[in-house]
Amino acid sequence: SQTIHQWPATLVQPVGSPLSLECTVEGTSNPNLYWYRQAAGRGLQLLFYSVGIGQISSEVPQNLSASRPQDRQFILSSKKLLLSDSGFYLCAWSGLHMNTEAFFGQGTRLTVV
Amino acid sequence: GNSVTQMEGPVTLSEEAFLTINCTYTATGYPSLFWYVQYPGEGLQLLLKATKADDKGSNKGFEATYRKETTSFHLEKGSVQVSDSAVYFCALPPYNQGGKLIFGQGTELSVKP
Repeated sequence: SQTIHQWPATLVQPVGSPLSLECTVEGTSNPNLYWYRQAAGRGLQLLFYSVGIGQISSEVPQNLSASRPQDRQFILSSKKLLLSDSGFYLCAWSGLHMNTEAFFGQGTRLTVV
Repeated sequence: GNSVTQMEGPVTLSEEAFLTINCTYTATGYPSLFWYVQYPGEGLQLLLKATKADDKGSNKGFEATYRKETTSFHLEKGSVQVSDSAVYFCALPPYNQGGKLIFGQGTELSVKP
């Protein structure tokens, strides 16, 4: 069966420090991959999505970037974190068929101090 | 492009009350429709889905019917429980959207004993 792993679960980082969040999927090939951010008490903000290795679409211009070095690995990065980067980050995948549901990781709670 | 609009929250109900969360969509073609639920501190999980017009998705006492004529997919439950307290998201798959998942803004439900 398919599983999605996202880590770490919680992270406290100082302003100006780098960030790397990793997400991996098992049990499927060629998934669509997504990074979302959720500020406290608010909805989901799509940050990046990828339909294949090296193919990244950015939804919101900001100091974050994403990479997909392998088919089932999706990484969210920042060179210098801002206070406004605090939030709950969610990784998700969906199947190659464009009419299927998505599956989410458990999320990373990032606090920038 | 495709979009989803759902009713504003938060919604506060007493236990055993009837729940309706409205969702309307704009889409080209005939995508599946989904409801996801997010319990506190967790990622999203699929609650129910419908794949074509007039389909009714159901799970855990929740139901939603795919209404093409009104472009709606309202979530209902006849008798809510405290354990139903969560955030609910209506969603469209990446259908005719180049891989992009689309979510409504989320509706927070709080059920009081």
